[in-house]
Order: sequence, then structure tokens, then C-alpha cells
Amino acid sequence: AQKVTQAQTEISVVEKEDVTLDCVYETRDTTYYLFWYKQPPSGELVFLIRRNSFDEQNEISGRYSWNFQKSTSSFNFTITASQVVDSAVYFCALSERPWGAQKLVFGQGTRLTINP
Amino acid sequence: DTGVSQDPRHKITKRGQNVTFRCDPISEHNRLYWYRQTLGQGPEFLTYFQNEAQLEKSRLLSDRFSAERPKGSFSTLEIQRTEQGDSAMYLCASSLQIQETQYFGPGTRLLVL
Repeated sequence: AQKVTQAQTEISVVEKEDVTLDCVYETRDTTYYLFWYKQPPSGELVFLIRRNSFDEQNEISGRYSWNFQKSTSSFNFTITASQVVDSAVYFCALSERPWGAQKLVFGQGTRLTINP
Repeated sequence: DTGVSQDPRHKITKRGQNVTFRCDPISEHNRLYWYRQTLGQGPEFLTYFQNEAQLEKSRLLSDRFSAERPKGSFSTLEIQRTEQGDSAMYLCASSLQIQETQYFGPGTRLLVL
């Protein structure tokens, strides 16, 4: 069965520090998608990125970057020069049967606190 | 383009009562999903619609739960005879069939007393 593990339950850093959120996944599918979502205190899940299993290129979007490594089944997320507004719970998710129902399997989340 | 909306945002009910939640997906999104999120956990899949057809239900969706999407647009999730264990955030998401990315609504937070 598919599984996503986010081993870091909580991370607290001082503003402007870089921080990396780890995500390890398990799947027997050869084709799958990986996602990161941000959940601020308001509760709404905000989509950040989608990556398919055939594309191992790292991606950078402003202060955010993602490192996808199939060899270690990891999809880590780095925030550079963190800001207080980055404080939220971050979820990594894996899609099952991407050509079918595509229900998401989520990790337990990492609560990130950026202190001023 | 408006996002996914859910109503109500908060619901407090007494054990044994029935509750109904509504989800309006992004227009033209033909896939609609319901998830449940308990405190400190990631969301868990409940059920999925493609247009008006309910194609998959999780084992988490007991007989007391029913979901509909009668015209392939908005969806409702009803919980009958609520129990304290039903207290959670109920999240709705929608996607275009080809795009594969699910966009979530703000959720309905249910508290069963």
C-alpha cells in the first residue's frame, strides 16, 4: 500500500534561516504524482507543487525549492530565507492510480514555526 | 475564477443528530473529492465523484455517511446519527480530469458534543 512519511512533526527556526522538510514515500506504482500542500491556521490546504514520477528535475519557485530523488523515494522541500508568513503545517502527498481515481495519500504533516 | 467553497464553515451538533455539508467545486471541474482530517493528522480520503457518479468510497465511510452529487456540480455529505468520533475537519477538493491536481476548499469543522 502507498504510504507517506514526514518524520519531522514540528520544526522551529528563526526568521531568515533555511529549512528543509523531509518526505519519504512508498509505492509499488511506477507512475505516480507527488504533491506538497501548505495548511495555514485558517485550515485551507493550499497547493504548492506537483511532480510526476518521470520528472526528477529539481524545481525552484522563488524561495521554495523541491528535491525529488527516486533512488531514495524522497521528495524534500526547502524554504530559503524563511519568513514568519511561512509558518504553517506542510503536507506531502502521493497519488494512487494516477490514471484513475487519483485519491491522495497524505503524510502526517510538519508544523513549521518561523520566529521573528 | 472562484475556488472551492464549503458551507457551513463550522458546525456544532449533539450526538445522534444528523448533519449535512455542502461543497461547490471550481466550475468545470468534473472530479470532486471528500476527505476527513482529525487533529494532528493528514487528510484521509473518504469518497470521490466523477461528474454525478460516485466511483469510490473508503472503508472510513460507514453506513452513517452518504454523499451525493446529483447534477455533477455541487456535492453534499450527510452524516446520520453523529458520534463524538465524527468530530473532524471535512475537506472537499476538485480537479479537472486531465490536470490531476486537487484544489481544496476551506473545510467544514464539525464538533459533536
